[in-house]
Amino acid sequence: KAGVTQTPRYLIKTRGQQVTLSCSPISGHRSVSWYQQTPGQGLQFLFEYFSETQRNKGNFPGRFSGRQFSNSRSEMNVSTLELGDSALYLCASSLVPAGGETQYFGPGTRLLVL
Amino acid sequence: GDSVTQMEGPVTLSEEAFLTINCTYTATGYPSLFWYVQYPGEGLQLLLKATKADDKGSNKGFEATYRKETTSFHLEKGSVQVSDSAVYFCALRGIYTGNQFYFGTGTSLTVIP
Repeated sequence: KAGVTQTPRYLIKTRGQQVTLSCSPISGHRSVSWYQQTPGQGLQFLFEYFSETQRNKGNFPGRFSGRQFSNSRSEMNVSTLELGDSALYLCASSLVPAGGETQYFGPGTRLLVL
Repeated sequence: GDSVTQMEGPVTLSEEAFLTINCTYTATGYPSLFWYVQYPGEGLQLLLKATKADDKGSNKGFEATYRKETTSFHLEKGSVQVSDSAVYFCALRGIYTGNQFYFGTGTSLTVIP
């Protein structure tokens, strides 16, 4: 069974631009969560989607948004990029919302904002 | 709010040494506790978990016991190998926070031959 895949793996953008990251969960998994990983802050929860609905949201500004499609694939969008948005963005999938199941992580998308 | 505090690294050990990585948590109720491992260039992988007090999670020679009285979930391994070199994250899944996961900042472990 294929694992969680994320595209692209690496991305370089400049301040003010916007970016869209994609996550394909493990087949059959309907829950997708997104995290931002930085050296200073560790992993911080962004949001979780289940059956195309946002279930939970972390403490991030409105520039960070996401969505989930009917095939459970999810996208995350960051508008008006700032230097501080440089990070590894991880997506995790699970069969049901994270409360009931273990999460499986993808390899991440490393975003560099110049 | 819920949070996890884990021992800062980096930690460097010789092969076959004993490993302890400390993790303490703050949470309402009885959260589930996890240890994840991240190898270079990869995402996080679940290492072990415990869902109630006094439970012991174990996997690949690693162990951690859910201690409610000390709100701790320390990771231990009796004899580390070079292949254990990675970053280790302690995490909890909150009960009263929409089952959201909270992670520690990670502890980097390097095992030298």
